[in-house]
Amino acid sequence: AFLLTQSPSSLSASVGDRVIITCRATQDISGALAWFQQKPGRTPRLLILDVYRLQNGVPSRFSGSGSGTDFTLTISSLQPEDFATYYCQQFYGYPLTFGGGTKVEIK
Amino acid sequence: DVLLVESGGGLVKPGGSLRLSCVASGFDFSSYTMNWVRQAPGKGLAWVSSISSSGSYIYYSDSVKGRFTVSRDNAKNSLYLQMNSLRAEDTAIYYCARTDYMDVWGKGTTVTVSS
Repeated sequence: AFLLTQSPSSLSASVGDRVIITCRATQDISGALAWFQQKPGRTPRLLILDVYRLQNGVPSRFSGSGSGTDFTLTISSLQPEDFATYYCQQFYGYPLTFGGGTKVEIK
Repeated sequence: DVLLVESGGGLVKPGGSLRLSCVASGFDFSSYTMNWVRQAPGKGLAWVSSISSSGSYIYYSDSVKGRFTVSRDNAKNSLYLQMNSLRAEDTAIYYCARTDYMDVWGKGTTVTVSS
């Protein structure tokens, strides 16, 4: 299985901070990686596909990078509406897998 | 609008069964792989099962293999999850999601397994 490890599992940050979340796969997933945002009580929302492709309507302060087994989600300037839990997901092979999540909280 | 609507959740005793449904609208359902993903209370997202557009290819997580059965009816734009031998650890919100990278999600249906 292509397991994903996210770090950190949680972080506290202030509005305007730069936030970096990492996702490491146990094997090369050839860029088949997506990032999701989930707010409490809400459905997950696809933010980024194929490592770096921002989905329609996602602010440009979000960006994705990486290759092989190591990937990052960066929020360049954290906004109040960005406080949420973020998940990476690989779709290179079955079983599909998610990272454990990173909860971004207000400092 | 592209929409997925789940139903069929509820309270069931351990060992019981439930059948979840997901009705799609606003897109060509028959062209997409569909998935079930669950989220236990306070926990992260966990993939449950996938079914290819024609239904020819089906995959399950180890945690549900042999107990859950995924199916679809493309004529009715519907996805199903038959859940048997339910356990307390199956308690979760169950979401249906479109395609391997989950670009569209339903709002979910809650399954509670408790005596």
